[in-house]
Amino acid sequence: GESVGLHLPTLSVQEGDNSIINCAYSNSASDYFIWYKQESGKGPQFIIDIRSNMDKRQGQRVTVLLNKTVKHLSLQIAATQPGDSAVYFCAEAGGYQKVTFGTGTKLQVIP
Amino acid sequence: NAGVMQNPRHLVRRRGQEARLRCSPMKGHSHVYWYRQLPEEGLKFMVYLQKENIIDESGMPKERFSAEFPKEGPSILRIQQVVRGDSAAYFCASSTGGPGNTEAFFGQGTRLTVV
Repeated sequence: GESVGLHLPTLSVQEGDNSIINCAYSNSASDYFIWYKQESGKGPQFIIDIRSNMDKRQGQRVTVLLNKTVKHLSLQIAATQPGDSAVYFCAEAGGYQKVTFGTGTKLQVIP
Repeated sequence: NAGVMQNPRHLVRRRGQEARLRCSPMKGHSHVYWYRQLPEEGLKFMVYLQKENIIDESGMPKERFSAEFPKEGPSILRIQQVVRGDSAAYFCASSTGGPGNTEAFFGQGTRLTVV
């Protein structure tokens, strides 16, 4: 389940299960959304993006869902693996508006 | 094609000294962004630059901080008279287009420690 840690909410998932990470974005003018993965000591790594004219986009083992009505974004990871353990950030942007990051969710995969 | 290169990876400065952080964008990328990250927190936007121009510096403190992206050479984030509160990881990202149009690639960051 999901719990709130000292700074980052943490999601613990059994290896092989599916993970769902949620994000609420703030600016209704944003039209480009990105999910990043950040491993300890490294920079953010692009996972998948979606534009506001879509509500779903699939990649390899990952799916991003966008609900513009409630300004909600989610990242689904199928068959979660230990290598998926990281902090996941959603980010929003639009036009020349700067990319703004959410607070992040720490995903812990239990072997 | 090398990724975004940041150096140094780790930088230790005494209070009052200057810190210079360098970022070489990916080949062909003319848009550079700087972000700051405290432990267990998200990335906070600082500044967005194109070659020789600052596009958006709304996230950068008005004093002691400056950034540039010259026609030739890396982008530089400069912090003068550092204080303990400047200790953080500073990440640079680059893209081919504006922030709302194209994917941005991040460097590995510079971890600044002020002692």
